[in-house]
Amino acid sequence: SQQGEEDPQALSIQEGENATMNCSYKTSINNLQWYRQNSGRGLVHLILIRSNEREKHSGRLRVTLDTSKKSSSLLITASRAADTASYFCATDAGRADGLTFGKGTHLIIQP
Amino acid sequence: DTAVSQTPKYLVTQMGNDKSIKCEQNLGHDTMYWYKQDSKKFLKIMFSYNNKELIINETVPNRFSPKSPDKAHLNLHINSLELGDSAVYFCASSHLGTGELFFGEGSRLTVL
Repeated sequence: SQQGEEDPQALSIQEGENATMNCSYKTSINNLQWYRQNSGRGLVHLILIRSNEREKHSGRLRVTLDTSKKSSSLLITASRAADTASYFCATDAGRADGLTFGKGTHLIIQP
Repeated sequence: DTAVSQTPKYLVTQMGNDKSIKCEQNLGHDTMYWYKQDSKKFLKIMFSYNNKELIINETVPNRFSPKSPDKAHLNLHINSLELGDSAVYFCASSHLGTGELFFGEGSRLTVL
């Protein structure tokens, strides 16, 4: 069953602006991850945040996690044209059956 | 060197045929997965497999079967292909318990 729901489904911003994507999920998790998928390519892992963490940074990425609201956000600062891609959140419930992905946010960075 | 490689990248075939997609990982991971991505980009887990356990998503038709000759390979075999099987199939691998998945580039299957 689908676990994560990203919001918005699509986002178009100007280069240099910040992009924020949100993810909501339904069940308890061990960790939540964000992945990027460029058109026609495989998914690439961006960042993982554990259930006992509230915020994590990696370069221009900032991820927050609110387990009480079962939600997460991904912020990309100072966006670049190369950030144009689909972004997916994925939840890990600690079982052996892999991650459960949301529907993704398609981000377009206008030059 | 490609960490997770899938072949073929594109596959066009007729309804009713049987086809296989191969996957190999050179990361030394103990767990491999198959995901299906539909035309709306929704990713659904099909199988996860390590040398101890095969977990099958109950919604996957039994026309789909994973075959693992060794730890580094997990192939996907599909019998009696149907139009609805058209999708992009992704192989992925991980160390069980570490969380991060490494994906292949995908295999786009088109059933005519």
